[in-house]
Amino acid sequence: NAGVTQTPKFRVLKTGQSMTLLCAQDMNHEYMYWYRQDPGMGLRLIHYSVGEGTTAKGEVPDGYNVSRLKKQNFLLGLESAAPSQTSVYFCASSYAGGSEAFFGQGTRLTVV
Amino acid sequence: GQQLNQSPQSMFIQEGEDVSMNCTSSSIFNTWLWYKQDPGEGPVLLIALYKAGELTSNGRLTAQFGITRKDSFLNISASIPSDVGIYFCAGATGNQFYFGTGTSLTVIP
Repeated sequence: NAGVTQTPKFRVLKTGQSMTLLCAQDMNHEYMYWYRQDPGMGLRLIHYSVGEGTTAKGEVPDGYNVSRLKKQNFLLGLESAAPSQTSVYFCASSYAGGSEAFFGQGTRLTVV
Repeated sequence: GQQLNQSPQSMFIQEGEDVSMNCTSSSIFNTWLWYKQDPGEGPVLLIALYKAGELTSNGRLTAQFGITRKDSFLNISASIPSDVGIYFCAGATGNQFYFGTGTSLTVIP
C-alpha cells in the first residue's frame, strides 16, 4: 500500500518555466490537498479538492493551478515559475473533511 | 488563514525526560491532529483527536483535545533519540486543516 506518492521528488526550474507536480493516492480518499512548506511558516494550503472534478482555493493560491480529473490524482501546475515559489511542496489526502490526513514525501522545488 | 500558536518553538532535552508541547488558537476546531516530520520526509500522523476533552495515547505519546476546542497538547514520556524531529499540530474545521509552525525537538543522549 503506497499511500500518497508525489513525483518528482526534486526539481530545479528557471524563472518563467512551467511544470506540473503529480500526486497519486491509493486509499480511495475523497479529499486531496496541496501545501507548501517554508522555513518558519509551517504548512500553508495552496489548493484542495473535495472530490473528483472539484477544486478550491486555499490560503496561498496565486501562481498555481490544480486539476482533479481522476479521484486518485491531484495535479499542481506552475504556469510561469518565480523564485518566490521555491519551496517544499506536500500533497495530502483524507477520507473526509476534518478526518486524518496522510502526506506524501514532498517535492523540493528550486526556481532560479 | 487561521493562526495556530504552537509552543515551544524548540526544545533540547536529555534522553529519558518527558516532553510537553501545546497548540492554541482563537478559533474552534472540530479535529486536532499531531504530526511528526523527519528531515527530508513528509509529516507522519501520530494522533488524531475528534472530541472535546478527549485524551488519546499512542505508545509513549499522549494528546488531549482541549475542552474549549481551541487548544491541544502533546506529551512524550521517557524520550529516546529517535524522537528527534519537528512536531506539528493541525486543527481541522470544514474542509481545511490549519497547521502550527512546529516544535523542533532535540534529544541529547
